[in-house]
Amino acid sequence: DVKVTQSSRYLVKRTGEKVFLECVQDMDHENMFWYRQDPGLGLRLIYFSYDVKMKEKGDIPEGYSVSREKKERFSLILESASTNQTSMYLCASSLTTDEKLFFGSGTQLSVL
Amino acid sequence: AQSVTQPDIHITVSEGASLELRCNYSYGATPYLFWYVQSPGQGLQLLLKYFSGDTLVQGIKGFEAEFKRSQSSFNLRKPSVHWSDAAEYFCAVGAASYDKVIFGPGTSLSVIP
Repeated sequence: DVKVTQSSRYLVKRTGEKVFLECVQDMDHENMFWYRQDPGLGLRLIYFSYDVKMKEKGDIPEGYSVSREKKERFSLILESASTNQTSMYLCASSLTTDEKLFFGSGTQLSVL
Repeated sequence: AQSVTQPDIHITVSEGASLELRCNYSYGATPYLFWYVQSPGQGLQLLLKYFSGDTLVQGIKGFEAEFKRSQSSFNLRKPSVHWSDAAEYFCAVGAASYDKVIFGPGTSLSVIP
């Protein structure tokens, strides 16, 4: 079965810190996504990538960047963490856009 | 740009009653449509999807959804709800290849005995 692994389940950071969230998938999927999930707002797309070194902005890219140097790994970077970036971050992958997303278990990030 | 609305933030139904969760989308071409469920403390699980063919699609756990192009809707239904169906339900829309998948805000379902 497809596995999407996020490196941390819980993370606590200070305001202004640079934060890296790592995501690895093991099924050679083309597409990878980063969402944040907040109560009442559902999942909001931050960035996605459909190929190595390719990245596209989602609906809320401000304050974030991404890196996809290898097909299996998609990293989300918070250049200077702020308290409004406290959230649950979900990574997902899919073979193609019309196929289902496989989600990681999420990283609950708290920025103090 | 794609967008998804789920008009009902929270719904409460009695066990055994029927259920309909609403989803409306905005997209210029024929969309790919999905329903996902997130049980408490669990990850997201795909219930069903539509991208062509029969407009009534069957999913797992006894759920079905109907695509209505004229109404830009993709409502999820279940004839008889079980207590284990209590969860958060998300409608999502995707587009052509090399494009994004957008989720709605979700509908929280409570089931009372």
